[in-house]
Amino acid sequence: AQKITQTQPGMFVQEKEAVTLDCTYDTSDQSYGLFWYKQPSSGEMIFLIYQGSYDEQNATEGRYSLNFQKARKSANLVISASQLGDSAMYFCAMRVGVLIRDTGNQFYFGTGTSLTVIP
Amino acid sequence: DSGVTQTPKHLITATGQRVTLRCSPRSGDLSVYWYQQSLDQGLQFLIQYYNGEERAKGNILERFSAQQFPDLHSELNLSSLELGDSALYFCASSVTGFSGELFFGEGSRLTVL
Repeated sequence: AQKITQTQPGMFVQEKEAVTLDCTYDTSDQSYGLFWYKQPSSGEMIFLIYQGSYDEQNATEGRYSLNFQKARKSANLVISASQLGDSAMYFCAMRVGVLIRDTGNQFYFGTGTSLTVIP
Repeated sequence: DSGVTQTPKHLITATGQRVTLRCSPRSGDLSVYWYQQSLDQGLQFLIQYYNGEERAKGNILERFSAQQFPDLHSELNLSSLELGDSALYFCASSVTGFSGELFFGEGSRLTVL
């Protein structure tokens, strides 16, 4: 079964500190992609970072990095130097399906983690 | 701006009514996905279309239906609306290829009174 699990409903972090949001996944596919999205209170879904299942290096995008541990099936998001604007819901997602064409690609989302940055 | 356009942004209607939500994917994206997000809930996958054909179905109610037209825009039809259908409905599109992320529209916020 394809599944994304986020076990932290809510997290708090002090401004300027780093925080790790947990994500574990389950899939029998060998090829998959892992994503993190941010949803601020305004509601839009903002893509943050992507990690492919064959990527050997952890993905980084500015203050965001994805700690990919394939054997453990985890894809934790690390936010460094937290800012007040980082307060939002964060969703982990997985893309699975046919490699050659995207006709069968499906995305699975976790239940999200609400992050609050404390001044 | 993700390039995915959803209309209307807000919609208020009464129980028992029918509404249509519209989505235009990013230029060149063939896949369209619909998600429902109820208050303080995660994203529930409803349905996916690829180049006009239904490709995957999630927890979509029988009262809901969708289609993707030849110009690739998509519509989600919600009928016999109930209070519990109040939610934020997202449309998203993706590029061809395995590494493409989902690009989300801003969502259509439906309130059923």
